[in-house]
Amino acid sequence: EIVLTQSPATLSLSPGDVATLSCRASQSVGSYLAWYQQKPGQAPRLLIYDASNRASGIPARFSGSGSGTDFTLTISSLEPEDFAVYYCQQRSNWLFTFGPGTKVDIK
Amino acid sequence: QVQLQESGPGLVKPSQTLSLTCTVSGGSILSGGYYWSWIRQHPGKGLEWIGYFYYGENTYYNPSLKSRLTTSVDTSKNQFSLKLSSVTAADTALYYCARGPWMSRGVILTWGQGTLVTVSS
Repeated sequence: EIVLTQSPATLSLSPGDVATLSCRASQSVGSYLAWYQQKPGQAPRLLIYDASNRASGIPARFSGSGSGTDFTLTISSLEPEDFAVYYCQQRSNWLFTFGPGTKVDIK
Repeated sequence: QVQLQESGPGLVKPSQTLSLTCTVSGGSILSGGYYWSWIRQHPGKGLEWIGYFYYGENTYYNPSLKSRLTTSVDTSKNQFSLKLSSVTAADTALYYCARGPWMSRGVILTWGQGTLVTVSS
């Protein structure tokens, strides 16, 4: 099983700040990494797939980068609606796994 | 636009079998091109893949749950189901059904709203 770790666990920022979230895989996942956003009481929402491709309808302030074992999700200027939990997820092999999440909260 | 809706008992006793159904509307399980999945989220915790299938092909189960899992599809009702046997408190979670493109399996585009299952006597 490929284990994903995310850092930091919590990120306290203000609207307008840049958010940089990290995800590290226990072995290479190539570019098969996605990022999801989850708000309280809601199902996760796909933001980025295959490391750097924005999903349909996702604002340009969300961007993803990385390959192999190290990946980054960047939110260029936080909007009030961006405060949420973010999960990375790999699909490199048939057993898909998620990271533990990074909570972005208001400072 | 496809929608998914989970249903099933919200409370299950320890050692019994948890049974959930996902009803698909706005699209057919038979139509192809998509895989269908179960994912769960323990209270206040992260996400765990339970299993997924592409209709007519193999079903893939999380090895940690495989011995207790049974899944099925009812195409006449456009539903797929999950049964998890011998449940314990550790199976208390929010259970989601989901759909994604088979050619990018692992990517999830559509989620149900989730149904909370509590295992307790």
